Amino acid sequence: GQQLNQSPQSMFIQEGEDVSMNCTSSSIFNTWLWYKQDPGEGPVLLIALYKAGELTSNGRLTAQFGITRKDSFLNISASIPSDVGIYFCAGTSGTYKYIFGTGTRLKVLA
Amino acid sequence: NAGVTQTPKFQVLKTGQSMTLQCAQDMNHNSMYWYRQDPGMGLRLIYYSASEGTTDKGEVPNGYNVSRLNKREFSLRLESAAPSQTSVYFCASSERAGQPQHFGDGTRLSIL
Repeated sequence: GQQLNQSPQSMFIQEGEDVSMNCTSSSIFNTWLWYKQDPGEGPVLLIALYKAGELTSNGRLTAQFGITRKDSFLNISASIPSDVGIYFCAGTSGTYKYIFGTGTRLKVLA
Repeated sequence: NAGVTQTPKFQVLKTGQSMTLQCAQDMNHNSMYWYRQDPGMGLRLIYYSASEGTTDKGEVPNGYNVSRLNKREFSLRLESAAPSQTSVYFCASSERAGQPQHFGDGTRLSIL
């Protein structure tokens, strides 16, 4: 099935560093979502984006809807140990069907 | 705030056994979904229900059936479990189709 390409697949960073990850698709989307999943739990919605070029923040997290509508970006500023987890992007062209990325696994070194 | 509640959290089955996974949401959402999550793959949609009284196949429906019991509850049934159905199953709901989905904590299912 169709999937999104998320990059990087995993990353180790030092506490306090900024983090950037992205998601690309071969299809145009009109909604992008970013989720975080902790071990043993379900994905939790972080940010929803609805318009090309849109920049939205949620605390230390900032996400952008790419102007081509085929990509999205998530930045985490000043990372802390509780940021560890898997970050998923998801996109839809407006139907019920969201396509999910394979995730970026983030590990923060104290 | 319960959100989306899934039961059971863990289950081990033998090949050929049947089982129903339960899901309930308390957000008055119209749409509900069942996904499976396998290592190295994104979430894959099994079935969804756009509104009470309707269900439709997703990307990987074979071997599964669903029932939208009422607006709150959406169950997933494995009639004859196979080892390939070993996975983590997530239920999700959204206000309506196409809106951001909110997930439960999953059911970890192993089939021997």
